Amino acid sequence: RKEVEQDPGPFNVPEGATVAFNCTYSNSASQSFFWYRQDCRKEPKLLMSVYSSGNEDGRFTAQLNRASQYISLLIRDSKLSDSATYLCVVNWNTGNQFYFGTGTSLTVIP
Amino acid sequence: NAGVTQTPKFRILKIGQSMTLQCAQDMNHNYMYWYRQDPGMGLKLIYYSVGAGITDKGEVPNGYNVSRSTTEDFPLRLELAAPSQTSVYFCASSLGVLRVWYFGPGTRLLVL
Repeated sequence: RKEVEQDPGPFNVPEGATVAFNCTYSNSASQSFFWYRQDCRKEPKLLMSVYSSGNEDGRFTAQLNRASQYISLLIRDSKLSDSATYLCVVNWNTGNQFYFGTGTSLTVIP
Repeated sequence: NAGVTQTPKFRILKIGQSMTLQCAQDMNHNYMYWYRQDPGMGLKLIYYSVGAGITDKGEVPNGYNVSRSTTEDFPLRLELAAPSQTSVYFCASSLGVLRVWYFGPGTRLLVL
């Protein structure tokens, strides 16, 4: 099993739609989780951290399910500008090793 | 505020050639990282550093070397380029191990 797995998509959704991505991780001792956004041919940029109790930032909601070992990202009212690849990142124990998922591609269609 | 800068942006190498990818940050971050990203793959950690003079191997260090003589700079050296090293290389820095990473714009390397 891979350390971090994401559905690569692509997800093609109309403007205004709600879309959700999941990311599963294999190490039950993982403690830190993030969602990064990567635009085509650009560097990844932090979208949001994922907290145990779940957290929201505007149209974006991140959740952590420790029992099933996955994190999720929900995007409401999708905008054209949300089109990007979304990478989940999971740390490995307490060390300096972090694992990136391969990313989920989202295209928001007018 | 420059953040994390990388040079060059793009390079073509012949098999067996050597080169150094430059990375600098002006945020006074202790932690710096080198990742490579292949098409359809996640970012893979090559090397990282927790401070000047301290470096350690990541997941895919073979074929690469690093040094960290200052807080600001973290160059990545390819000694004998191979086609398998064709990739996009990202440098990143962070204030601490569980803090946000700031990535540079990347270096696209093609080895022929």
